Amino acid sequence: DARVTQTPRHKVTEMGQEVTMRCQPILGHNTVFWYRQTMMQGLELLAYFRNRAPLDDSGMPKDRFSAEMPDATLATLKIQPSEPRDSAVYFCASGLVGVANTEAFFGQGTRLTVV
Amino acid sequence: KQEVTQIPAALSVPEGENLVLNCSFTDSAIYNLQWFRQDPGKGLTSLLLIQSSQREQTSGRLNASLDKSSGRSTLYIAASQPGDSATYLCAVRRDAGGTSYGKLTFGQGTILTVHP
Repeated sequence: DARVTQTPRHKVTEMGQEVTMRCQPILGHNTVFWYRQTMMQGLELLAYFRNRAPLDDSGMPKDRFSAEMPDATLATLKIQPSEPRDSAVYFCASGLVGVANTEAFFGQGTRLTVV
Repeated sequence: KQEVTQIPAALSVPEGENLVLNCSFTDSAIYNLQWFRQDPGKGLTSLLLIQSSQREQTSGRLNASLDKSSGRSTLYIAASQPGDSATYLCAVRRDAGGTSYGKLTFGQGTILTVHP
């Protein structure tokens, strides 16, 4: 049963600390998305990768956020330094975009609380 | 810039009712549209995917329609059940062209409550 796996599921950290969230996309998918969900803003796109290359990270605060795909099986989202306003649920999704556009499949999310 | 709007924001119905959730988008240059369900504290579960060339898709009690030219989609739920209570989100995927190809833009969702 193929699924997107995110770790950790929950993270509580103090303001100023570095936070790293990880995502394992579905094998064979060429596109990875990072979204942030809050009550006020809903789902916001932070970063978007195709074949491990970043295509669009315009939604991401560049001074503190960074997103990478070290290899095809791992995507990371880092926040350094973290701030209370970063508290949200962070979702990773993967899909196959190209000749056959498939559905986007979402992970269970990482619930981040910055105190 | 694509904007996706979902109406109503919240809906409460008695069990057994048929209901319609609405989704509208401002840029008709979409490749497909996807409806998701999100339970409280959980991730998003894909319900239906409609390609831009299709008019509708059905899965069980769910039927989604797409009118690309008018920028609208509806999700029809037949014979609603308490287990259908969740937030329903629609998302459009951008059509070919540029680095935004394949990008998903979400609406704010409709919170559905089905009471026994």
